[in-house]
Amino acid sequence: GENVEQHPSTLSVQEGDSAVIKCTYSDSASNYFPWYKQELGKGPQLIIDIRSNVGEKKDQRIAVTLNKTAKHFSLHITETQPEDSAVYFCAASFPSNTGKLIFGQGTTLQVKP
Amino acid sequence: NAGVTQTPKFQVLKTGQSMTLQCAQDMNHEYMSWYRQDPGMGLRLIHYSVGAGITDQGEVPNGYNVSRSTTEDFPLRLLSAAPSQTSVYFCASSYDSRSYNSPLHFGNGTRLTVT
Repeated sequence: GENVEQHPSTLSVQEGDSAVIKCTYSDSASNYFPWYKQELGKGPQLIIDIRSNVGEKKDQRIAVTLNKTAKHFSLHITETQPEDSAVYFCAASFPSNTGKLIFGQGTTLQVKP
Repeated sequence: NAGVTQTPKFQVLKTGQSMTLQCAQDMNHEYMSWYRQDPGMGLRLIHYSVGAGITDQGEVPNGYNVSRSTTEDFPLRLLSAAPSQTSVYFCASSYDSRSYNSPLHFGNGTRLTVT
């Protein structure tokens, strides 16, 4: 069935270190993979997305990589800062089921100063 | 430009009560949806709409109703609240009716407790 698995569920890093969050998806037809950041008491906000015709995308300290063969994609945050502390969600589209964007379980990232 | 506005922010209900969670967007987005967020389970899709007059079920639709009479508004109705519906509810919209192909804009959520 439609499924997105996200790991780890919690991640603690020192300020300045890198953080990596990984997701796998079940449908080889999935073609859109967004990442959202949720700060305390707020709704998720898109931080970066990637489509299936691209293997990697970068935006300053954030990058996402996609491996279609293995059906997994990852979020990389370099030079982490305390303000990066939040919950991060990955998601994958399921075109065979119109209107469906399936989210992972979320990763709570803590950046220690 | 307010984006996606959800009301109320907090709500406590007794089992069996009904209520409506309001959602409005001012971005002229075609696609609107409701998610619930529970610890360790991510965001699960309840219902969605690809335009005025069109609604469809998501992953967890039971116990909820929706309607879309205008482009701007997408209310979520709880018919007879149950403790299992205690959750944080998010409304989201997208300019593309194919939600799987464009970014979602989320409201700030409604925290619902059913006792």
